[in-house]
Amino acid sequence: DVKVTQSSRYLVKRTGEKVFLECVQDMDHENMFWYRQDPGLGLRLIYFSYDVKMKEKGDIPEGYSVSREKKERFSLILESASTNQTSMYLCAVQGLEETQYFGPGTRLLVL
Amino acid sequence: SQKIEQNSEALNIQEGKTATLTCNYTNYSPAYLQWYRQDPGRGPVFLLLIRENEKEKRKERLKVTFDTTLKQSLFHITASQPADSATYLCAPHNYGQNFVFGPGTRLSVLP
Repeated sequence: DVKVTQSSRYLVKRTGEKVFLECVQDMDHENMFWYRQDPGLGLRLIYFSYDVKMKEKGDIPEGYSVSREKKERFSLILESASTNQTSMYLCAVQGLEETQYFGPGTRLLVL
Repeated sequence: SQKIEQNSEALNIQEGKTATLTCNYTNYSPAYLQWYRQDPGRGPVFLLLIRENEKEKRKERLKVTFDTTLKQSLFHITASQPADSATYLCAPHNYGQNFVFGPGTRLSVLP
């Protein structure tokens, strides 16, 4: 199985701050994903990447950007955090048979 | 647009009984469907994948069925235990499309 780690479990930021969330996998898989999860709205795809320096918008990319400089690392960037970006952020890596391996999640609070 | 529904937001059953969770989808034809388990504050964990040409799949106490005519998957946990209490997510998927997850059903197995 793929091990996926995320840089922080909990994060508190102020409105307007730049926020970096980092995700690292311990294998060599190409496809990596960022989701946010909110009560009543479920998991929603923000961005994904299928290779180094490649990125694709998901369903809700507004207010976010991503970076994939190395294959094992996929970063989500909030350029100017806003309170409506308070959420649980989950990174996932696509392994064999299309399965997704998720990280533990980062619970972000924007004040 | 694509829509995924899971039978109920919450399901309570008695220990030892069989839990049956439903996933219905509309407006697309998935090539396969996955089920994930999510514990509070954690990322989802992959359980089972069933392809469109498979009617049924089993793994230990878990059984999944996939009816492409009804556009429905059923997820069964036999001899349920309190440790099975979690939220279960379904994810019908077709190649070349973004991953979409259902809203989840929160299962509580009562001792």
